[in-house]
Amino acid sequence: EAGVTQSPTHLIKTRGQQATLRCSPISGHTSVYWYQQALGLGLQFLLWYDEGEERNRGNFPPRFSGRQFPNYSSELNVNALELEDSALYLCASSIGQGDTGELFFGEGSRLTVL
Amino acid sequence: QKEVEQDPGPLSVPEGAIVSLNCTYSNSAFQYFMWYRQYSRKGPELLMYTYSSGNKEDGRFTAQVDKSSKYISLFIRDSQPSDSATYLCAMSSGGGADGLTFGKGTHLIIQP
Repeated sequence: EAGVTQSPTHLIKTRGQQATLRCSPISGHTSVYWYQQALGLGLQFLLWYDEGEERNRGNFPPRFSGRQFPNYSSELNVNALELEDSALYLCASSIGQGDTGELFFGEGSRLTVL
Repeated sequence: QKEVEQDPGPLSVPEGAIVSLNCTYSNSAFQYFMWYRQYSRKGPELLMYTYSSGNKEDGRFTAQVDKSSKYISLFIRDSQPSDSATYLCAMSSGGGADGLTFGKGTHLIIQP
């Protein structure tokens, strides 16, 4: 069974540009979570999608947005990139609400903003 | 005070030693407690999952939760070089949609 897949693995952008990251959850999982893992800050909750709807977002500005498609894959968009957006972006999927069960993580997309 | 505190390390121990990793937290609503292991350049993977207080054992790993002290621990017995990784504690109240709250992770090095 394929795990959570993320693309691209690495992405280099300059300040002010937009970045798009993609995630395919494990087959049968309807919930997708996005986390940011910046150096020294640990994993910070970004967004939660379930059944195509945004269910909750963490303490991030509106330029962080995304969506979930009918096949449950998801996309994270970061607009007007800033240097501090450089981080590993992790996607995780779960069956139902992931805060009481197991989250399965992908290997992440490393975004570098120059 | 941060919601979850975890010593970032690095923690370096010889092979075969017993390792103790800990987290403290401030939110008394947390009921679900997890430990994730993250190898370099990989995503985190779930090691242990505990609901409320108590102990849980799985092979060489034991997780302990003391809700009265707001303190959780992960013990690794007979540590191996392959255990070298970053260990992240995570927790949630389970009553909403805030996802998991993670500690910053402890970088563990097992010396052969």
